[in-house]
Amino acid sequence: GGIITQTPKFLIGQEGQKLTLKCQQNFNHDTMYWYRQDSGKGLRLIYYSITENDLQKGDLSEGYDASREKKSSFSLTVTSAQKNEMAVFLCASSMGGNNERLFFGHGTKLSVL
Amino acid sequence: GQQVQQSPASLVLQEGENAELQCNFSTSLNSMQWFYQRPGGSLVSLFYNPSGTKQSGRLTSTTVIKERRSSLHISSSQTTDSGTYLCAMGLSGSFNKLTFGAGTRLAVCP
Repeated sequence: GGIITQTPKFLIGQEGQKLTLKCQQNFNHDTMYWYRQDSGKGLRLIYYSITENDLQKGDLSEGYDASREKKSSFSLTVTSAQKNEMAVFLCASSMGGNNERLFFGHGTKLSVL
Repeated sequence: GQQVQQSPASLVLQEGENAELQCNFSTSLNSMQWFYQRPGGSLVSLFYNPSGTKQSGRLTSTTVIKERRSSLHISSSQTTDSGTYLCAMGLSGSFNKLTFGAGTRLAVCP
């Protein structure tokens, strides 16, 4: 088995601040994902990466940057936090990318003051 | 418009009752997954079920592609089944992109 570790678990930011979320996986999976989960809504894909140094935009990429410098890690940056924003950011990975089974981390809960 | 519709949005059961959760798609798909999320917790993969029926313990997933639907049946519910159940579909021609439903919030009372 493997595990996906997201840091930090909780993130409190100020309006306009640049915030970085990190994700590590030891499944040796090729594909990694960042999703955003808002209360009462389904998960929305922000960015994904099919291999080291690859980046693909999802449906919600505006306002975010991502980086996949190693196969095992995938980071997400909120370029300018929005006031009163509150959401959970979930990192996931899969062996390949053809809609294979996804494994998720525990999430980073973001609150912007 | 929304491509994945889950129903019901919420459900309250007495322990021991059965539940049927539905997921309907507006377009053709090539994969379907069911996830479970405890409040404040991570998503746990329950089934990867592109078609047909799969069973794991008290849980059964059935996907009928032609009818563009998938269901999750929970038999003899327990209080520990409480949480949110999410379905996600992979669209045909949409490599790597799962589209999630909004989820069904299940509460099982003792």
